[in-house]
Amino acid sequence: AQSVAQPEDQVNVAEGNPLTVKCTYSVSGNPYLFWYVQYPNRGLQFLLKYITGDNLVKGSYGFEAEFNKSQTSFHLKKPSALVSDSALYFCAVRDITGGFKTIFGAGTRLFVKA
Amino acid sequence: DGGITQSPKYLFRKEGQNVTLSCEQNLNHDAMYWYRQDPGQGLRLIYYSQIVNDFQKGDIAEGYSVSREKKESFPLTVTSAQKNPTAFYLCASRERDTQYFGPGTRLTVL
Repeated sequence: AQSVAQPEDQVNVAEGNPLTVKCTYSVSGNPYLFWYVQYPNRGLQFLLKYITGDNLVKGSYGFEAEFNKSQTSFHLKKPSALVSDSALYFCAVRDITGGFKTIFGAGTRLFVKA
Repeated sequence: DGGITQSPKYLFRKEGQNVTLSCEQNLNHDAMYWYRQDPGQGLRLIYYSQIVNDFQKGDIAEGYSVSREKKESFPLTVTSAQKNPTAFYLCASRERDTQYFGPGTRLTVL
C-alpha cells in the first residue's frame, strides 16, 4: 500500500534560521511526490513536486525539497525562515493504483517566531 | 487559489437537511476532486471525476453525492445520511500530475 508520513505534528523555528519539514513515503515503483502549504481557512497551495531528475527540487517562495531514494524521504527545506512561512504543510504522493488520486500526509504545522 | 472557486465560504445546516457545495473551475482541467479536511487528519477523498458524466467514489463517499454534467462544475451534495458532516471541504482539479485547490467551504451542522 502506498502511504506518506509526516512524523512531526509541529515544527518551531526562529526567523532567519533554516527550516526542515520532514516527510517519508512508501510506494511501489517510482514515486511522484508533492508539497503543499495551507494558510488558515484557505485551500492548499502547490509548492513543488518531484517526478524525476535532480534530487533537489526548487519551488515557490524559496522552498526546496530533497528526494532521497535510499531513505525514502522528501524533506521540505528553506535556508532562512520568515514569520509569514507559518502555516500547515502537507506532503503527498501520487497513488499509482488508479484514478490519478493523491495521498496526503496528516500535515505539519510550522511556527516561525520573530 | 487560481481558477477554482467554491461557494459558499461558510455554510450552516440543520440536522436532516441536504446541502450542496459548489465547485467551479475555468482551467479547462478534465479531472476534479472533493476532499474533506478534519483537524489532525489531513485530507480524505470523497469523490473524484476524471471526465464529464463520470465519477468514482473515494475513501469516504457514504452520505455524499456528486454530479459532473459540465467540465467546469463538480457540485457536492452532503445528504442527511452523512453522520458527522461538520468539516472543511476542499475541491481540486488536476493538470497532469498536480492537483490545484479551491479556497474551501466550511460546513457546520447546527
